[in-house]
Order: sequence, then structure tokens, then C-alpha cells
Amino acid sequence: DSGVTQTPKHLITATGQRVTLRCSPRSGDLSVYWYQQSLDQGLQFLIQYYNGEERAKGNILERFSAQQFPDLHSELNLSSLELGDSALYFCASSVGHTGVNTEAFFGQGTRLTVV
Amino acid sequence: AQSVTQLDSHVSVSEGTPVLLRCNYSSSYSPSLFWYVQHPNKGLQLLLKYTSAATLVKGINGFEAEFKKSETSFHLTKPSAHMSDAAEYFCVVSDEPGTYKYIFGTGTRLKVLA
Repeated sequence: DSGVTQTPKHLITATGQRVTLRCSPRSGDLSVYWYQQSLDQGLQFLIQYYNGEERAKGNILERFSAQQFPDLHSELNLSSLELGDSALYFCASSVGHTGVNTEAFFGQGTRLTVV
Repeated sequence: AQSVTQLDSHVSVSEGTPVLLRCNYSSSYSPSLFWYVQHPNKGLQLLLKYTSAATLVKGINGFEAEFKKSETSFHLTKPSAHMSDAAEYFCVVSDEPGTYKYIFGTGTRLKVLA
């Protein structure tokens, strides 16, 4: 158990809908990262928050947004869902900034299926 | 920009034989490199990391990796495969200093035959 909690584990929704994925980082971790794992794109970085502020942005669509709350949990909001958004969404957390002698710990992911 | 290339998408070994999963990286900076494992329907678990200390890195479950700058490689090895090692393995490089994201390889699926 990595200590990173993601809910829900599975989500099935229809095209055009909006969903919210939730992530609770490990105790003490200030950085939260969101990744998308799809069959055609592999694992891709979406966005990072550090202590409530957006820190880095990757290949995140404009239909997607995220935030990190004062208690450090994070939510990823996906709207106007398309079939191609079906993927496994991972949250990760780290104490500091990834790539500076730290590593990220990953949750078990939320599997989103858009029908 | 940083990148990683996992040279094999699938590797099959017999139980008890050595495992070799290959990874080459490209980096303009001294990289931080990681290997993560993903078991079916599970999250990603860190196996080991290289952050410019010892070039031979030991990880969990008997895995180790050697950082070879001259070959820009970071191959993952294990002397004796176990059935429980069957999973997908990802080689990962940290992005450039000042950015804070991982770049994942495409993954190598390890199959262990009884």
C-alpha cells in the first residue's frame, strides 16, 4: 500500500458527462501529480500541484481541470467526456518535487470507462 | 528533452532463469532514473531509483539496475525469475531540472513460464 488513496476505483459514464476523480496523497506529501494511462498513448503526465498551486502542466486537455485543496487532497475534473477519455487515471504524490532526489508514490488508479 | 526507450515490449523467461529488461535514455542533464512495476489491476510500485549516487542500484524483490552513462542505459535485472514477477515494468526518467514530471517508457510486459 503506497499510502495514496484514489476514489472511486471504477467509474462508468456516458459521453458528454462530467466526472470528478479524487486523490488523497500520502501523509506529509505536498506534491500531487495526475497521470493518464491509455492503450494508445501509454502513461502520460497531465498536471502537478504543489501545496495548493499548479506547478507543471503536461498533455492535459482543456476539458480537464484539477485543483488541490488546503488539506492537500486533489480532484481531477473531466468534462464533456468522449469515448477516447476512457483510461486509467493515476494520482501520485511526493514530499517535494519529482526529479530532485525524490520519487513519486502512486495510487491504484481510477478506471474510467466512457460509453 | 528527456526520453526513455524500452527496447522490448514483451519478454518471456522461465521461472528460475535470469531477467533482463532493457532501457535506454536520452538526457541533456544528469538524469534521475526509475523503474516502476505494475501488476494486473494494481497501481505502480517503485522498484528502484538512480539519482547520481552509486551506479549499481539495488531495489526490492531482488531487482537491480546499472546506470551506464557511456551506453545511456539503465537495464533492469534479476538473477532468478519468480512467477510473482509477471507484470508490466516501466522505465522512467525525470524531466529536466525545473520541471516536475515523469516521462514513462512504453513498458515491457514480463511473462514468467513455469
